[in-house]
Amino acid sequence: GQQVMQIPQYQHVQEGEDFTTYCNSSTTLSNIQWYKQRPGGHPVFLIQLVKSGEVKKQKRLTFQFGEAKKNSSLHITATQTTDVGTYFCAEDGSSNTGKLIFGQGTTLQVKP
Amino acid sequence: EPEVTQTPSHQVTQMGQEVILRCVPISNHLYFYWYRQILGQKVEFLVSFYNNEISEKSEIFDDQFSVERPDGSNFTLKIRSTKLEDSAMYFCASSATNSNQPQHFGDGTRLSIL
Repeated sequence: GQQVMQIPQYQHVQEGEDFTTYCNSSTTLSNIQWYKQRPGGHPVFLIQLVKSGEVKKQKRLTFQFGEAKKNSSLHITATQTTDVGTYFCAEDGSSNTGKLIFGQGTTLQVKP
Repeated sequence: EPEVTQTPSHQVTQMGQEVILRCVPISNHLYFYWYRQILGQKVEFLVSFYNNEISEKSEIFDDQFSVERPDGSNFTLKIRSTKLEDSAMYFCASSATNSNQPQHFGDGTRLSIL
């Protein structure tokens, strides 16, 4: 079935260091969404990428969609303790039903 | 800001019993979803629902599961004959349209099967 592979599974950084998580698919993605889940919380939508090569920024967060639309990344510059959580990429698995296929997630720990 | 609400926040049930998890999607949203997250694992799609019928379901969503929109506001997930492996966090989500739209998740119901 459809799968989105996400790495790394865990990342521990010192506050102020950068962080990147990567998503890869063997098939071309129609779009990709990114969600953040705080410990004990629910997934919260961050952004959606649709176009090949698209780059979007939200303050310290930079999201990229690969030229071939088979990979995506989320980069956080100068992490803060508030960035702690699990970051999931999610593929819109069907053009008609809204089904999301989530990656395994990258759990970010930030040491103050 | 409108949000998806789920009740109960925690449900403890004996194996073999039936449970109903409840959700109130955002009022002007038309598409509703249930997802499951086993502790420490990824979020898994269960079912999507539109216009009072299931539009897609996963392999997990077998005959043990059913969904219903009994009135204009509630969206329920029923699990019959619960098994130990049904223990997980169940998230309800809704979106304004079917694709290329953010999905808004509720806080989830933690289901514990004993």
